[in-house]
Amino acid sequence: DGGITQSPKYLFRKEGQNVTLSCEQNLNHDAMYWYRQDPGQGLRLIYYSQIVNDFQKGDIAEGYSVSREKKESFPLTVTSAQKNPTAFYLCASSMFGENYNEQFFGPGTRLTVL
Amino acid sequence: GEDVEQSLFLSVREGDSSVINCTYTDSSSTYLYWYKQEPGAGLQLLTYIFSNMDMKQDQRLTVLLNKKDKHLSLRIADTQTGDSAIYFCAEFYNQGGKLIFGQGTELSVKP
Repeated sequence: DGGITQSPKYLFRKEGQNVTLSCEQNLNHDAMYWYRQDPGQGLRLIYYSQIVNDFQKGDIAEGYSVSREKKESFPLTVTSAQKNPTAFYLCASSMFGENYNEQFFGPGTRLTVL
Repeated sequence: GEDVEQSLFLSVREGDSSVINCTYTDSSSTYLYWYKQEPGAGLQLLTYIFSNMDMKQDQRLTVLLNKKDKHLSLRIADTQTGDSAIYFCAEFYNQGGKLIFGQGTELSVKP
């Protein structure tokens, strides 16, 4: 079955620790995205990558880092510089096109900082 | 800049129609989307509309697009309790090659 997976589903972190969220897709999609979701604020774009070994900052990239060494993988690291990291994180992927951009979402990872 | 606005909450009775509204700012958007999010889950694409269309119908879903006013709506006919979820509209932002999402409208369906 083709799809996009995120792990773990729930993650707990102590203040001051870095943590990496996994995102894998087997849809052969070119583009991948990371979003952060907070209640009442919708989805905010953290980083996105349209091709392997390249990525761009989204609207709220501070305190986060990413890599895109393989087409199917786009891990997100939440660093200790992120002041308020507790949130629901969603990964998505799509074929990269000029207009149509249907994004397929993973099930999400809920990060809680203790 | 790009921006998409939605009201945050909508409550309806089971069997009634629901109308969720959205306004957007990028007049060059070619595709506009509606996504559904159930509690604790990712988003699923419900439907989309191409900008040269005024209306698109898909079973219980009707999408209306008013390009002049940059207004998009999603109508759900015969709303069921299983339709309770958060609904997001999104526009494709041509300059950035990315989707811009609204804040999401939480639909509550009461029996």
